[in-house]
Amino acid sequence: QAQLVESGGGVVQPGGSLRLSCAPSGFSFSSYGMHWVRQAPGRGPQWVAFIRHDGGTKYYADSVKGRFTVSRDNSKNTLYLQMNSLRDEDTAVYFCAKTSDSSWGWFDPWGQGTLVTVSS
Amino acid sequence: EIVMTQSPATLSVSPGERATLSCKASQSVSSKLVWYQQKRGQAPRLLIYGASTRATGIPARFSGSGSGTEFTLTISSLQSEDFAVYYCQQYDNWPLTFGQGTKLEIK
Repeated sequence: QAQLVESGGGVVQPGGSLRLSCAPSGFSFSSYGMHWVRQAPGRGPQWVAFIRHDGGTKYYADSVKGRFTVSRDNSKNTLYLQMNSLRDEDTAVYFCAKTSDSSWGWFDPWGQGTLVTVSS
Repeated sequence: EIVMTQSPATLSVSPGERATLSCKASQSVSSKLVWYQQKRGQAPRLLIYGASTRATGIPARFSGSGSGTEFTLTISSLQSEDFAVYYCQQYDNWPLTFGQGTKLEIK
């Protein structure tokens, strides 16, 4: 059974940086595209970024483009999200999520999430 | 960006009754629509993909329908564990976008 565990969240000042990690288990990580999705307190989820199984294709939400970078190390079985120039509005729980066998378009399963708080 | 609009924001239903949740897209997404369930303090869980296909392990009381711009999630006989927030999401175009959610509460 596929499982995902995020880490690296915390409190950071506006303009600061943070790197999130996601550790998968129960499936062949190198065969699947992966997503980052975030959810601000009391709000619905917002898709953040996608990376293809081999890292060859990446997509970003406009709100994070140029500030966030998604990457993966298949040899270390780890997904990353480097977040720079953080803003108050980036405060959210960040989830990593696996794509399906047949589509990049949905998230199954999701990890438990890691909280990022941007505050001075 | 495709805007997804869910209604109602809150739905009050008694256990054992049927619940019908709506999701509308600002432009056609064909059948590229999924539904998630989220309970308090948990990550969302996939219920339906391709507008009408139940994900693995999802009970038959959950059903999805629709195509184009209008979609429906129906829960045929509500169980206590079904009271949660439900989100739709389109995957026809990047960026992938979610509705704002429908909270299903006990009447």
